[in-house]
Amino acid sequence: ILNVEQSPQSLHVQEGDSTNFTCSFPSSNFYALHWYRWETAKSPEALFVMTLNGDEKKKGRISATLNTKEGYSYLYIKGSQPEDSATYLCAFNSNSGYALNFGKGTSLLVTP
Amino acid sequence: DGGITQSPKYLFRKEGQNVTLSCEQNLNHDAMYWYRQDPGQGLRLIYYSQIVNDFQKGDIAEGYSVSREKKESFPLTVTSAQKNPTAFYLCASKGRGGGELFFGEGSRLTVL
Repeated sequence: ILNVEQSPQSLHVQEGDSTNFTCSFPSSNFYALHWYRWETAKSPEALFVMTLNGDEKKKGRISATLNTKEGYSYLYIKGSQPEDSATYLCAFNSNSGYALNFGKGTSLLVTP
Repeated sequence: DGGITQSPKYLFRKEGQNVTLSCEQNLNHDAMYWYRQDPGQGLRLIYYSQIVNDFQKGDIAEGYSVSREKKESFPLTVTSAQKNPTAFYLCASKGRGGGELFFGEGSRLTVL
């Protein structure tokens, strides 16, 4: 089992605050790094799939960066809104495996 | 609409009984996966299938069985050999060449 660590475990911010989470993963045999958002009572949905070192992806107020050499990825949310409240999952795919290894997630609560 | 359907959403069973969780997708995806979630843990891979009539054990396959007789279906049987079957089960699929996973809404199994 490949170790994927996410921090913090949970986060509570006020509406309008910007926030960021960290995902660390093995730096060897890298193939892809995924970010998913999982809202309560819904299915997890993909935010980003990142494959290149130095890659930076953006979707609205959410962006992510990737450093494959040191084995970490950051997810940023600018101007958090209550609808951003969810668990954010990071998952690592090595080049020797077909399946994703997930971290425990970061639970974000944004209050008005 | 295309997607993944898991059923039932909630299931209660007595100890010692086998239980089958259904997962159906109409996305024409080749690969399908079963993950388990327990409180405070990341998603852990039970079984996966890259193609019809073929499947592989994941990290925690003991006490589970699967079949992949049709491309759209990947049922999971939780057998009486599974020591701690009470958990939340997520099914996912992935298209050929595509990176992201598409998830169902999950099935919560409680063994009394």
